[in-house]
Amino acid sequence: GAVVSQHPSRVICKSGTSVKIECRSLDFQATTMFWYRQFPKQSLMLMATSNEGSKATYEQGVEKDKFLINHASLTLSTLTVTSAHPEDSSFYICSPREMQDTQYFGPGTRLTVL
Amino acid sequence: RKEVEQDPGPFNVPEGATVAFNCTYSNSASQSFFWYRQDCRKEPKLLMSVYSSGNEDGRFTAQLNRASQYISLLIRDSKLSDSATYLCVVNGGAGGTSYGKLTFGQGTILTVHP
Repeated sequence: GAVVSQHPSRVICKSGTSVKIECRSLDFQATTMFWYRQFPKQSLMLMATSNEGSKATYEQGVEKDKFLINHASLTLSTLTVTSAHPEDSSFYICSPREMQDTQYFGPGTRLTVL
Repeated sequence: RKEVEQDPGPFNVPEGATVAFNCTYSNSASQSFFWYRQDCRKEPKLLMSVYSSGNEDGRFTAQLNRASQYISLLIRDSKLSDSATYLCVVNGGAGGTSYGKLTFGQGTILTVHP
């Protein structure tokens, strides 16, 4: 299967700081990137969808100024949680897709905001 | 009403048992359906796609009833390694995960004990 890396795997930060999560597709080109988050005992919820070189499309209820997505290349996308607060503590998972091909999942980033 | 609903369980079964999970979805226009498996603190992994004619993969059998908007997963001869959360996933687009957006159920927790 395709290889997807996500970094960092785990981060603990103070309230008010910004955290950047990187997602890389190592052996294919991710023309579309989906970002999900998952709160404890809940389902994966889609946050936003981005196509390489275009602005991301955010799902209802997700603040685009708080969750900055950059998808400038076909192998790298970043999600920056700006001014993180404890309620942003969650499991963030990227999910790249190459053209009309299978969608894969990164290993996830566990964010804890103190 | 949630777009994809599952019984969260937990299901606790002995090794060798047969266990069935159910799922309903609200969007009648949904095109493709899947079961994913998610281990604790890991990303979801595709277990199997679900087809209208029903399909089987070893000990796993999936069924789809479009009229009732109902999906099921049957696991026979449960193994300890089957312990995980099973996610019912629906896609508004056709062609597997190649198009559209995936919508996840909250998951059903399965624990198989000796």
